[in-house]
Amino acid sequence: GNSVTQMEGPVTLSEEAFLTINCTYTATGYPSLFWYVQYPGEGLQLLLKATKADDKGSNKGFEATYRKETTSFHLEKGSVQVSDSAVYFCALAGGTSYGKLTFGQGTILTVHP
Amino acid sequence: NAGVTQTPKFQVLKTGQSMTLQCAQDMNHEYMSWYRQDPGMGLRLIHYSVGAGITDQGEVPNGYNVSRSTTEDFPLRLLSAAPSQTSVYFCASSSRGHTEAFFGQGTRLTVV
Repeated sequence: GNSVTQMEGPVTLSEEAFLTINCTYTATGYPSLFWYVQYPGEGLQLLLKATKADDKGSNKGFEATYRKETTSFHLEKGSVQVSDSAVYFCALAGGTSYGKLTFGQGTILTVHP
Repeated sequence: NAGVTQTPKFQVLKTGQSMTLQCAQDMNHEYMSWYRQDPGMGLRLIHYSVGAGITDQGEVPNGYNVSRSTTEDFPLRLLSAAPSQTSVYFCASSSRGHTEAFFGQGTRLTVV
């Protein structure tokens, strides 16, 4: 079956530091890959997505590249802000499984001024 | 532009009680699903629907029932609540041809 593994957390950074959150996956076929973000007390929001190999998703300064050869979709941001403090989830949807997502365990990011 | 609306936001139940978590979407999405979020485990799929009258089980369906009589609504029923069902529940919807899901704000359920 499908599975997603995220790096162990939580992650604590100073403002303007570089962020990487690792994500690897196992899936049959050609899944779509996502990063969702959950701010305190809120639901999940789609941060970015990629639907095929070598696609790069980007939004709000965050980027992730769909690497089929390493089955990875690592999230990066060059300079984090305090407002980026949240929980980040890597997820996949296999083939035509519209909205039927498999999630990683989530990574808590805290950014200090 | 409401999107996906869940009610209630918070609920406390006693063991053995029943309740229904409501979910409604106004985007005319065909697909709807329920997830539970537990610490360190991400979100896990409970039940799933591909359209009115059609539902399927997800990864953790035991103790939960669903039905989908309209495109807009997808309620989740707990028939006899157990402490193991203490969790945050999220409803989501998506449209045909788009694999990403849109989520509600969640319902925090505590079973004592």
